[in-house]
Amino acid sequence: SQQGEEDPQALSIQEGENATMNCSYKTSINNLQWYRQNSGRGLVHLILIRSNEREKHSGRLRVTLDTSKKSSSLLITASRAADTASYFCATDAGGNNRLAFGKGNQVVVIP
Amino acid sequence: DTAVSQTPKYLVTQMGNDKSIKCEQNLGHDTMYWYKQDSKKFLKIMFSYNNKELIINETVPNRFSPKSPDKAHLNLHINSLELGDSAVYFCASSRSDGPNEQFFGPGTRLTVL
Repeated sequence: SQQGEEDPQALSIQEGENATMNCSYKTSINNLQWYRQNSGRGLVHLILIRSNEREKHSGRLRVTLDTSKKSSSLLITASRAADTASYFCATDAGGNNRLAFGKGNQVVVIP
Repeated sequence: DTAVSQTPKYLVTQMGNDKSIKCEQNLGHDTMYWYKQDSKKFLKIMFSYNNKELIINETVPNRFSPKSPDKAHLNLHINSLELGDSAVYFCASSRSDGPNEQFFGPGTRLTVL
């Protein structure tokens, strides 16, 4: 089964800077989603981008999708300490509502 | 007004015991899932139910048995617990019609001693 792979694994930035994470996958997808997980909590859905979309914005989040390269990026602009979390990409290839999650990026925003 | 809830939040038990984790969602979703997250935060699907019917059953030991009494509940029973079962278990739910945005519970941290 396909699996998203985020890169880099850990990112430490100063408050106010931008954070960028990448995700690659292996097969055709219907959509790609990004989730956030704060320490000790469940995952929270952030944004979904469909396979026919190239870019999507939601607040301080910007997601891009390049289906020819099978990759996606998540940009968090003007980061805040509260953005400190792990970020996961997940791909939906259709069938059985299955999501394949990547390994996750740990982002630490230093106040 | 919790969307997806799980009980218990923490579970510490001895090897060989049998334990259950319960999950409930009040979102009106028709699909529910169990995931296992290991110490490296890798998240793996275990089971999925749609309208009380099993639709995903990954390679999980037979000691794990899910049960869905209705669309809003999905429980996980684990027999003969082993050290390697220690992990965080997440329940999630979604609608089967639509883009499969999943809503996660807070997790149950299982520690087997």
